[in-house]
Amino acid sequence: EVQLVESGGGLVKPGGSLRLSCAVSGFTVSTAWMSWVRQAPGKGLQWVGRIKNKSDGGTTDYAAPVKGRFTISGDDSENTLYLQLNSLKTEDTGVYYCTTLANPAYFHRWGQGTLVTVSS
Amino acid sequence: QTVVTQEPSFSVSPGGTVTLTCGLSSGSVSPTYYPSWYRQTPGQSPRTLIYNTNIRSSDVPDRFSASILGNKAALTITGAQADDESDYYCALFMTSGIWVFGGGTKVTVL
Repeated sequence: EVQLVESGGGLVKPGGSLRLSCAVSGFTVSTAWMSWVRQAPGKGLQWVGRIKNKSDGGTTDYAAPVKGRFTISGDDSENTLYLQLNSLKTEDTGVYYCTTLANPAYFHRWGQGTLVTVSS
Repeated sequence: QTVVTQEPSFSVSPGGTVTLTCGLSSGSVSPTYYPSWYRQTPGQSPRTLIYNTNIRSSDVPDRFSASILGNKAALTITGAQADDESDYYCALFMTSGIWVFGGGTKVTVL
């Protein structure tokens, strides 16, 4: 059974960093296209970024508001997807969801989310 | 910047039918955007309803259907039930390789 379990959220000051984890079970993380989606408090969903599977090159792409600050990576030995968040801003506050991407181009499985709060 | 538009809210009577739409600030939605739909109840993760314009995800009841209506993607709930009260989001896949979500529609059944 596919499961996605996020962790690593917390309170961080503006300008700080955080690394979110998404522990994967039911498949190997490098075999799947995966994505992060976030949701600010009381707001809608916002796509953050995507990583392709290894056979498709493992490349990443990001939404404009996070490009250059956030990095997605995966580790097969831990079977975990990561989201490194740097230079955090207050507007990065929200719940971050890990998702699998299925063909064609939709978010299939969702984790339960982890809350990131950026505040001084 | 591409904006995906959804109605902020809709109210439907139990047993009634409601159609939510998903449009573009500039241009028309077509199947090439691979429109998908998600529902989310408060405090829960989103759940996938529809993908590739009109294909229901597994375990989604057939009272949920979707299509392209005019220049927008549309999600129709037929025979609405109380537990259909949720926020509904559409997502479009852009030619640039990124996804954009709509702002969501809050559906109330009363």
